[in-house]
Amino acid sequence: DIVMTQSPDSLAVSLGERATINCKSSQSVFYSSNNNNYLAWYQQRPGQPPKLLIYWASTRESGVPDRFSGSGSGTDFTLTISSLQAEDVAVYYCQQYYNIPLTFGGGTKVEIK
Amino acid sequence: QVQLQESGPGLVKSSETLSLTCAVSGYSISSGYFWGWIRQPPGKGLEWIGNIYHSGSTYYNPSLKSRVTISVDTSKSQFSLKLSSVTAADTAVYYCARHKGSAYTHPFDYWGQGALVTVSS
Repeated sequence: DIVMTQSPDSLAVSLGERATINCKSSQSVFYSSNNNNYLAWYQQRPGQPPKLLIYWASTRESGVPDRFSGSGSGTDFTLTISSLQAEDVAVYYCQQYYNIPLTFGGGTKVEIK
Repeated sequence: QVQLQESGPGLVKSSETLSLTCAVSGYSISSGYFWGWIRQPPGKGLEWIGNIYHSGSTYYNPSLKSRVTISVDTSKSQFSLKLSSVTAADTAVYYCARHKGSAYTHPFDYWGQGALVTVSS
């Protein structure tokens, strides 16, 4: 199984400041034949299902604000919220869809400082 | 707009079989895409259970494979989950979701609201 490890477990950021979440996979999720990283990021607000934010490591889902961005390749990935808004308080998960079993990181809780 | 809705008993006795159905609207299951089940124990992270294509082709998490069956009914535009021999460790919110493509090598783009299933002794 590909193990996804997120850091930190939680972080508190002031409104308008940058939030950075890291995700590391135990093996590469990069597929050279199509030059894609099989890595997604989700946002889960309290009491809600996860919402897809980023896929292919850096492609923003339709309707997602451009303050959310994804970067990285191979085994190391980052989700950045450039200017934290109150509605961004949530738990964020990374997920690999490179192979079975599909696996998620443990989650990072983002709060307002 | 694609919508998914889970339904089924909210309480299941230990050692029995958990059964949930996901009704899909706004999109025809038979048109393609993979469909999946994911669960989340209270206060914990996400665990992928398995998925299915409209043809009936399935993939399961090896950790649950011996107890899981996922099936599809394209005529009713729904797919179902059965998890046998449940224990308290199976207590979770169960989500159904759609893969963003006709393979499991795509993320989940549409999710149901989730159904809490509690296993009682």
